[in-house]
Amino acid sequence: QKEVEQDPGPLSVPEGAIVSLNCTYSNSAFQYFMWYRQYSRKGPELLMYTYSSGNKEDGRFTAQVDKSSKYISLFIRDSQPSDSATYLCASLGGGGNKLTFGTGTQLKVEL
Amino acid sequence: DAGITQSPRHKVTETGTPVTLRCHQTENHRYMYWYRQDPGHGLRLIHYSYGVKDTDKGEVSDGYSVSRSKTEDFLLTLESATSSQTSVYFCAISEQGNTDTQYFGPGTRLTVL
Repeated sequence: QKEVEQDPGPLSVPEGAIVSLNCTYSNSAFQYFMWYRQYSRKGPELLMYTYSSGNKEDGRFTAQVDKSSKYISLFIRDSQPSDSATYLCASLGGGGNKLTFGTGTQLKVEL
Repeated sequence: DAGITQSPRHKVTETGTPVTLRCHQTENHRYMYWYRQDPGHGLRLIHYSYGVKDTDKGEVSDGYSVSRSKTEDFLLTLESATSSQTSVYFCAISEQGNTDTQYFGPGTRLTVL
């Protein structure tokens, strides 16, 4: 079992929709949670960074962590075609400095 | 890409040949990482460095070696390339490691025939 699981998609939504992207993790030592966005043939870029449980909002993006259920979510409001990308969740903790990534969810926002 | 360059950006090589990929940063960050990205596996850590001449293995280090003689450069060498090493390779940097954010380079697409 992978330490971070993520549905690969693809997920296709109409422009303006609310998008929900999700990951689960198994390592209770994880304390830090990140979402990266990766456009085709580009490197991942950091989108959101959260510590422990709770919500964090940045513009149209909200990251949510529920440590009791080991569930990580990213919500995108008013989705745009420019949001079309692969979204990677990642977790860090337990005294190490090694990020553990999910496999990524491919999102397509259609006009 | 946070002051990170990778070279070459694309390479095609033959099985059994050595290959060296270079990562160069202008951020003066202490930590540098090499990942490979493959469909169905996501990003997997190959090796990382926590200072000049200080390196450690990641989860998929077999067949790879690294060197860091300067803060700004981190080299990944495939000692004898195999077709299973066909992948996209990403370098990443972070200032403090541990809980710090990692920033990624643009990637190198390597094909081993």
